[in-house]
Amino acid sequence: DVKVTQSSRYLVKRTGEKVFLECVQDMDHENMFWYRQDPGLGLRLIYFSYDVKMKEKGDIPEGYSVSREKKERFSLILESASTNQTSMYLCASSSRATNEKLFFGSGTQLSVL
Amino acid sequence: EDQVTQSPEALRLQEGESSSLNCSYTVSGLRGLFWYRQDPGKGPEFLFTLYSAGEEKEKERLKATLTKKESFLHITAPKPEDSATYLCAVQRNYGGSQGNLIFGKGTKLSVKP
Repeated sequence: DVKVTQSSRYLVKRTGEKVFLECVQDMDHENMFWYRQDPGLGLRLIYFSYDVKMKEKGDIPEGYSVSREKKERFSLILESASTNQTSMYLCASSSRATNEKLFFGSGTQLSVL
Repeated sequence: EDQVTQSPEALRLQEGESSSLNCSYTVSGLRGLFWYRQDPGKGPEFLFTLYSAGEEKEKERLKATLTKKESFLHITAPKPEDSATYLCAVQRNYGGSQGNLIFGKGTKLSVKP
């Protein structure tokens, strides 16, 4: 069965800490995405990548960076966590061939105190 | 500006009471419209893709339809296990690349036995 795995289900960090959210997919997908989901705001795209070492900004990239050193792994980095980054973070992947449906991980609920 | 609006925000039905969810969109050149289902504490799960006005897709008690300005997700004789948040999304070009989606805020469906 296809799988997108996010390293942590729940995470609690302090303001100013550097935070790493990891995502691994086992489907050999070229495309990978990071979204955040907030009540009343829905899913918003932070960053995405169409290939190894390649990244593009989404709709809300401020305060975030990403890394994709290997095809199967896409990391989201919060350089200096702030309370307004408390959210549910969802990683997704898709195939360039089909370029349609996204496969999502179960999400990481991040709380920044 | 690309935009996806879903209505209603929440819908409560009795088991067996059929209804429809609405997704209206404005996008420069629709490449695809997607429906996802999201259960609490999980990532969204793909349901349907629609590409052109007049297209319909069905899966069990769900049927998705598409016009030039909106899509409907029809739920026939729903059961309690259909309770979930239903998300609509449109595919857009972004900086010349394909594949990433813009999501609506979702409709939370509750089906009571």
